[in-house]
Amino acid sequence: DAGVIQSPRHEVTEMGQEVTLRCKPISGHDYLFWYRQTMMRGLELLIYFNNNVPIDDSGMPEDRFSAKMPNASFSTLKIQPSEPRDSAVYFCASSSSGSYNEQFFGPGTRLTVL
Amino acid sequence: SQKIEQNSEALNIQEGKTATLTCNYTNYSPAYLQWYRQDPGRGPVFLLLIRENEKEKRKERLKVTFDTTLKQSLFHITASQPADSATYLCAEYNQGGKLIFGQGTELSVKP
Repeated sequence: DAGVIQSPRHEVTEMGQEVTLRCKPISGHDYLFWYRQTMMRGLELLIYFNNNVPIDDSGMPEDRFSAKMPNASFSTLKIQPSEPRDSAVYFCASSSSGSYNEQFFGPGTRLTVL
Repeated sequence: SQKIEQNSEALNIQEGKTATLTCNYTNYSPAYLQWYRQDPGRGPVFLLLIRENEKEKRKERLKVTFDTTLKQSLFHITASQPADSATYLCAEYNQGGKLIFGQGTELSVKP
C-alpha cells in the first residue's frame, strides 16, 4: 500500500482565497483524522470521521473550516476564506478499528497564507 | 481537561548512551499511551503502544514504561545512534475516541 496520500504537498495562497486540501487514506481503514501542526500549538486534532461520518469536529477552529468525506477513499479539508493565521502543516491520518488507534500519517500539506 | 506534557527542551546525548524522554499527564489515567517519531518535513510514525495495565513494553532498542502512580510514561532508546535524532511525541487515547498529542521532545544524538 502507498500509505496515506495528501495533496498538494505545499500550498501558497493569498488571504481571502479558498484552499482545499485532499487526502486518500489507506485502503481498508475506517477512521480518518485531520490534524494541524504549528510550533506554538503542536499537533491538534481538527476533525475525525468513522466510516465516512464526521464524529467529532470540536477541534475545527471556526466556520471558515469544513471537511467532507464523500467516500471511503477520499476526504477534503477546506478553508474559506483563508487567513495568515491558518498557515501551518496539515496532516491527514487513518487507522482501523481494533488497532487501538495506531494512526498512519500522510506527509502533510504545508500551507502558507500571505 | 486532560493535558499531555513533554519536556519542551531538546535532549542532546552522545552516541551509544541511553536516551530517556518523559511524558506526563495531568488528570485521569488514559487507557493507553502511544509514542510516535517525527522527522523534519514528515508525518509522525507510530512506534509503541502501552496499556494502562502494562508496566513496560519493549521493541528492539526501544522501551516504554507506564507509571499510573506518577502519571508518567518514560520512553528509552538504548545504544542510541545519530539516526535516532528526531522529535518524539507521546499521545494518549482519551475516552472520546481520539488521540491527544504532547508537544514533542526533540532528541539529538551526537556521534
